[in-house]
Amino acid sequence: QVHLVESGGGVVQPGGSLRLSCAASGFSFDSYGMHWVRQAPGKGLEWVAFIRYDGSNKYYADSVKGRFTLSKDNSKNTLSLQMNSLRAEDTAVYYCAQDLVPGLKYWGQGTLVTVSS
Amino acid sequence: EIVLTQSPGTLSLSPGERATLSCRASQSVSSSYLAWYQQKPGQAPRLLMDGASRRATGIPDRFSGSGSGTDFTLTISRLEPEDFAVYYCQHYGRSLLTFGGGTKVEI
Repeated sequence: QVHLVESGGGVVQPGGSLRLSCAASGFSFDSYGMHWVRQAPGKGLEWVAFIRYDGSNKYYADSVKGRFTLSKDNSKNTLSLQMNSLRAEDTAVYYCAQDLVPGLKYWGQGTLVTVSS
Repeated sequence: EIVLTQSPGTLSLSPGERATLSCRASQSVSSSYLAWYQQKPGQAPRLLMDGASRRATGIPDRFSGSGSGTDFTLTISRLEPEDFAVYYCQHYGRSLLTFGGGTKVEI
């Protein structure tokens, strides 16, 4: 059974950094790309980033490009999102999800990031 | 960049009624790369449909999807109490995803 568990959320000041993790189990992690999708309070879903199954290519939304970095450790079944230069508009629940074109069938429960002074 | 526009923003219906949700793309997209999700408060989104019309595992057959080109529709034939939620369409293109703004189906 596929299981995704995010961690690392919390409260951070504007300009600060935070590192999110997503622990995966129940599937061959090294065979699947992974996405991060976020949802600001009371708002819709926003795609954040995608990494290919082997980590060879990474793609970012324009809103986070240059500030967020995605990595994938296939030996530890872990996905990470390093978030730097955080802004108030980055406040959201961050979900990791398994890539399964064209839809995302498996999602984590999400971790809340709050950027506030 | 493809933009997905969902309408209406809110749909007020009663249990047993039919719900018709629209998703319009800013340019023609392949239906193979169009998906629908349901999201309830405090929960992660749940995949309903992919390939525009293919129900995901475990999704009841009162949910159906259709459309092509720029216009796609999610239909719930008879609303059950558990169907009141927010619904999102999503397009998968060139390793990035685009979501619509969502339609809230409320009682």
